[in-house]
Amino acid sequence: GAGVSQSPSNKVTEKGKDVELRCDPISGHTALYWYRQSLGQGLEFLIYFQGNSAPDKSGLPSDRFSAERTGGSVSTLTIQRTQQEDSAVYLCASSLEAELEQYFGPGTRLTVT
Amino acid sequence: QKEVEQNSGPLSVPEGAIASLNCTYSDRGSQSFFWYRQYSGKSPELIMFIYSNGDKEDGRFTAQLNKASQYVSLLIRDSQPSDSATYLCAVNLADSSYKLIFGSGTRLLVRP
Repeated sequence: GAGVSQSPSNKVTEKGKDVELRCDPISGHTALYWYRQSLGQGLEFLIYFQGNSAPDKSGLPSDRFSAERTGGSVSTLTIQRTQQEDSAVYLCASSLEAELEQYFGPGTRLTVT
Repeated sequence: QKEVEQNSGPLSVPEGAIASLNCTYSDRGSQSFFWYRQYSGKSPELIMFIYSNGDKEDGRFTAQLNKASQYVSLLIRDSQPSDSATYLCAVNLADSSYKLIFGSGTRLLVRP
């Protein structure tokens, strides 16, 4: 079946602009995660959605970052007033439920110039 | 600060050898352990998970878990050049079951 999809695959933006990244999880997966991976680094947890529960936003690095998940499926991660330190690969993952195996999308490579 | 530690490598092994990748974690209450393979420029791909002490085998891969010593390892038998990648260890947090803490990964190089 189809895996996790993300768009765009690459995004180049100017400092100060807003960007929106999209994630479409595996059908039937109720849990959705956003991570950030900077060059040569491990994955940094950003936010978690599970069904209709309130999301865990504890990993968002600043109030410029926000995310929503509509209809329990597609999620968007928005970064306002982008900064150069926001440059990274943003990865989305989904799982059937919490605690179980997470499957990653191909990621969005964000470059802030 | 909960941590997952991995040797960054590179770990270089000849084709056909056994590659042994190790990971230690600090959260004694962790229950779920995952190994991801990440090729350069690609996203992580789940290759093994283990929840109980002992060994779990899947094809050429064996995951080993020792909760008392707080380490988890991945053995790759009959290593192939196509196994050359970075291997990420991930561990769930005991107080937040869905949060995974990832190590920075070990780069594996399999020499033909």
